Amino acid sequence: KQEVTQIPAALSVPEGENLVLNCSFTDSAIYNLQWFRQDPGKGLTSLLLIQSSQREQTSGRLNASLDKSSGRSTLYIAASQPGDSATYLCAVKVGRPAAGNKLTFGGGTRVLVKP
Amino acid sequence: DTEVTQTPKHLVMGMTNKKSLKCEQHMGHRAMYWYKQKAKKPPELMFVYSYEKLSINESVPSRFSPECPNSSLLNLHLHALQPEDSALYLCASSQPRDEQFFGPGTRLTVL
Repeated sequence: KQEVTQIPAALSVPEGENLVLNCSFTDSAIYNLQWFRQDPGKGLTSLLLIQSSQREQTSGRLNASLDKSSGRSTLYIAASQPGDSATYLCAVKVGRPAAGNKLTFGGGTRVLVKP
Repeated sequence: DTEVTQTPKHLVMGMTNKKSLKCEQHMGHRAMYWYKQKAKKPPELMFVYSYEKLSINESVPSRFSPECPNSSLLNLHLHALQPEDSALYLCASSQPRDEQFFGPGTRLTVL
């Protein structure tokens, strides 16, 4: 059974500092990995999708890496801003066909960027 | 357009009421999902429809009844809910096995 862990559960940084968010998963047979952002009481916003064949994916200030063999993904957010304050979730889609379209989520990292 | 819409935004219902949550997408996605999210927890998958057929039911109680009338619409019918069913209900869509896009959610309170 796939298990996804995000450590730390909460993180506080001063504005301008780079953010490093970690995600680990137990089953390396993944199809893809997706990073989301969630503001309080809102839906999830997709940030980046990394396919199992990719090592990294970039969008603006965001960069996500994937190391399947070690079961890890890292989301880097450069030059953090107060508007980056949110909960960040990673989710893994298992590669086995029987798993279908199911995503397994980590518990999330709550980020506070202080002005 | 990567928008998934959900109505209503908020819903308060008694334990004897019947209500429905609605979800719509116009991205041509053929997979649609219902998730339940409690405070400070990640979303929990409830149901998956793939090509308008129910493909995953995560052992959800029968008081929750999903329906997929066509490829753009997804409903969740609610009946005889319990206070512990109060949560944020999220709808998502994707092409099968591809990036999932979420709606803003319906905040449900059961009295």
